[in-house]
Order: sequence, then structure tokens, then C-alpha cells
Amino acid sequence: TQLLKQSPQFLSIQEGENLTVYCNSSSVFSSLQWYRQEPGEGPVLLVTVVTGGEVKKLKRLTFQFGDARKDSSLHITAAQPGDTGLYLCAGAPGNTGKLIFGQGTTLQVKP
Amino acid sequence: DAGITQSPRYKITETGRQVTLMCHQTWSHSYMFWYRQDLGHGLRLIYYSAAADITDKGEVPDGYVVSRSKTENFPLTLESATRSQTSVYFCASSVYKGDTEQFFGPGTRLTVL
Repeated sequence: TQLLKQSPQFLSIQEGENLTVYCNSSSVFSSLQWYRQEPGEGPVLLVTVVTGGEVKKLKRLTFQFGDARKDSSLHITAAQPGDTGLYLCAGAPGNTGKLIFGQGTTLQVKP
Repeated sequence: DAGITQSPRYKITETGRQVTLMCHQTWSHSYMFWYRQDLGHGLRLIYYSAAADITDKGEVPDGYVVSRSKTENFPLTLESATRSQTSVYFCASSVYKGDTEQFFGPGTRLTVL
């Protein structure tokens, strides 16, 4: 059972295009995290969203936490080849303290 | 500042052999985790530890054993490797419990023939 579902799973776009990645669940999360992973490396945290409806910006990346705290989105404006990588959302359902991860979205940005 | 390291980075073994993957962190983080990463599954938690001598099962613990005699080390042992354990294994650590930022090692790519 995949508690966190990401879509799309794969995305290949041209440099300069915009894109949105979604992370959905039927469960409520106290917070959701977004990680980025490059080939041959471990994931690195980009942002944590905590409050329902919260929007956080990291340069060209915009993260939103759904009002009901069941979903989140990552929007990239004017994607660049350096944005290429695997994007993972993660959250700890209930009060378990254990992170679960979505299956990831592989993004390829072509120059 | 080494952070979190894993060894070996690559390992090929045969079915039935015992394999130990090492994880070492220099931050003195209380929490440590082992995940496996497979295509289409993201990262799945195998075991975690809240402190030295305290470990607990994650989502996919069968076939794995962990120990944590020192805060900085968290080895993962496959007692009798199977082909289904072919995967990339990541160790991670965090200051607080698992829903806060986790810091990941570079991973170990394990192939079981």
C-alpha cells in the first residue's frame, strides 16, 4: 500500500518549461518533506511544509501543502538542466515518527 | 567533517551468504535509519534506532538484522542474502524523531547473484 502517491513518475521537459509534481495521500500528515536525489547520492532535504495551505519558495521552486494536510505540490518555474534528478516527498503518518516516502518523480530537463 | 558514510559503496555477493553493510555518522545524532530503494517503490524503511541499544522494525525488516552498540555506528546485516535483496541501501540519521530532517549517506549498491 502506497500511502504517498507521486505523479507523474517520469517527466522529461525542455529547459525553460514549467512543471508541477504532485504528492497525494488519503491520510493526514503533520508535515511533509520534499527531498531531491541526484544519481549516486543520497536524498537531500529541500523543504518541510508544516501548516495547511502553506506555500514556501526556494528560488524557482514553489512548494505547497494542501489545506487538509493530505497532499502537497512542487512547482518549478523555468526549469534548468541542473534541476534534473529524483524528487521525493515524505511524511510521518499519525504519530509514528517514521518517515514514509512516495515512489518519486524522475525529472529530466534537456538543454 | 565526514558526516555520514557508508561502506562498501558496491557489493556483489551470492545467494545464501551473510553480508554486512556499515554506516557511520560523525554528528552524534540520536536517530539512525536503514532504507532500501527500488524502482517504483521510493525508499522503504528497514530498521531504525532511537539511541544506542534501541532498535525497532520498519516496513520491510524480514531477512535483516541490525545492532547499535555505539551511537555513531549502525550496521545492517543480511543473514542469508536472497536475490530479492538486490537493491540500493541508504543509511540516514536525524537529531530528532523520524519526521524531522534526515541526513542520508551516499548509499551501498548491493547485487545478490
